[in-house]
Amino acid sequence: QKEVEQNSGPLSVPEGAIASLNCTYSDRGSQSFFWYRQYSGKSPELIMSIYSNGDKEDGRFTAQLNKASQYVSLLIRDSHPSDSATYLCAVNDYKLSFGAGTTVTVRA
Amino acid sequence: NAGVTQTPKFQVLKTGQSMTLQCAQDMNHNSMYWYRQDPGMGLRLIYYSASEGTTDKGEVPNGYNVSRLNKREFSLRLESAAPSQTSVYFCASSEPGGHMNTEAFFGQGTRLTVV
Repeated sequence: QKEVEQNSGPLSVPEGAIASLNCTYSDRGSQSFFWYRQYSGKSPELIMSIYSNGDKEDGRFTAQLNKASQYVSLLIRDSHPSDSATYLCAVNDYKLSFGAGTTVTVRA
Repeated sequence: NAGVTQTPKFQVLKTGQSMTLQCAQDMNHNSMYWYRQDPGMGLRLIYYSASEGTTDKGEVPNGYNVSRLNKREFSLRLESAAPSQTSVYFCASSEPGGHMNTEAFFGQGTRLTVV
């Protein structure tokens, strides 16, 4: 089992809709969780970090963490075409592991 | 503040040639990482270093070696390049996980082609 798994996508949403991304992880003791955005040909950039159960909101982005179920999700509200990118879920234990990524396309 | 700096940005090698990818960070992070990214795939961990003086294998270490030269620098060496090593390579740094403020920061990437 991979340490971090994401719903593979791709995900296509209309402009203004909510994009929902999910991620599960295998190590029940994991404490640090992140969502990165990566535009084609660019480096990953951090958009959200979450360490405690519950929701964390930052602008149009909301990260949700459920340690009992070992999943972390990302909601993008009011999607813009500029949100079209690959979104990577990451878990930092003693090493930093990534999921395969979900490619999101926002249709104008 | 430069963050994480990788060199070179592009490289073409012939099969069997060797090269070293350089990475330096100025954020005083203890952990450093090397990943490769192939089309349509996520980031696969090659090697990581949790602290100065230590290195560990990741998911895809075969064909690579690393050196944690000091706290700032972490290099990746290909001793005998193969076409299967054609990829984009990213270096990253962070504090060790399990705490707050352990997000990783990435270099610009090195696009390597082996012919």
